[in-house]
Amino acid sequence: DTGVSQNPRHKITKRGQNVTFRCDPISEHNRLYWYRQTLGQGPEFLTYFQNEAQLEKSRLLSDRFSAERPKGSFSTLEIQRTEQGDSAMYLCASSLDTGEEGEKLFFGSGTQLSVL
Amino acid sequence: GNSVTQMEGPVTLSEEAFLTINCTYTATGYPSLFWYVQYPGEGLQLLLKATKADDKGSNKGFEATYRKETTSFHLEKGSVQVSDSAVYFCALRGKDSSYKLIFGSGTRLLVRP
Repeated sequence: DTGVSQNPRHKITKRGQNVTFRCDPISEHNRLYWYRQTLGQGPEFLTYFQNEAQLEKSRLLSDRFSAERPKGSFSTLEIQRTEQGDSAMYLCASSLDTGEEGEKLFFGSGTQLSVL
Repeated sequence: GNSVTQMEGPVTLSEEAFLTINCTYTATGYPSLFWYVQYPGEGLQLLLKATKADDKGSNKGFEATYRKETTSFHLEKGSVQVSDSAVYFCALRGKDSSYKLIFGSGTRLLVRP
């Protein structure tokens, strides 16, 4: 068990460019979550998957954002036409989907996005 | 809607001092409550949780009691160590069908030797 892995760790891009982040959850975890965290704030929920199905999306997730989990394993988060306000740490988390263990989220170290 | 309010930091303590970090919540019904910790350069880790009123979560010497009457879940530790220096986040999960966590803004703890 290597934990939740996120790549890249850092991404610097110019405004208007597209970026894609990858998350590899813990292998037996069915649930996968994306959060966004800005400096001095707690993580804000973006979206969540149960296996390959995207079951919930936050209103924070504008139409420039899209997330996929095509085979129920890794997930990607794409931001199109990036804006400076997208600069943040993007966190991925995973969990089991049964009982109390389903409430225990394991977080990756995040991808820090800077939009210039 | 559901929300979590934490005391602002940073909290600076000397080693072996008593720690309290306040957390209050607003939610419909009885949510599950959590404390997550983020050590420098690492991802968030679950520290403890409580799923119903009067439950006490505990781990690594930290404790928090789910108080329905005051809608609070304050984090306490009797004797902090330098290694406890981190950012602490209070969070809740509502008892609706959503599995999302709602986090507070975090409280930075700095423990000096």
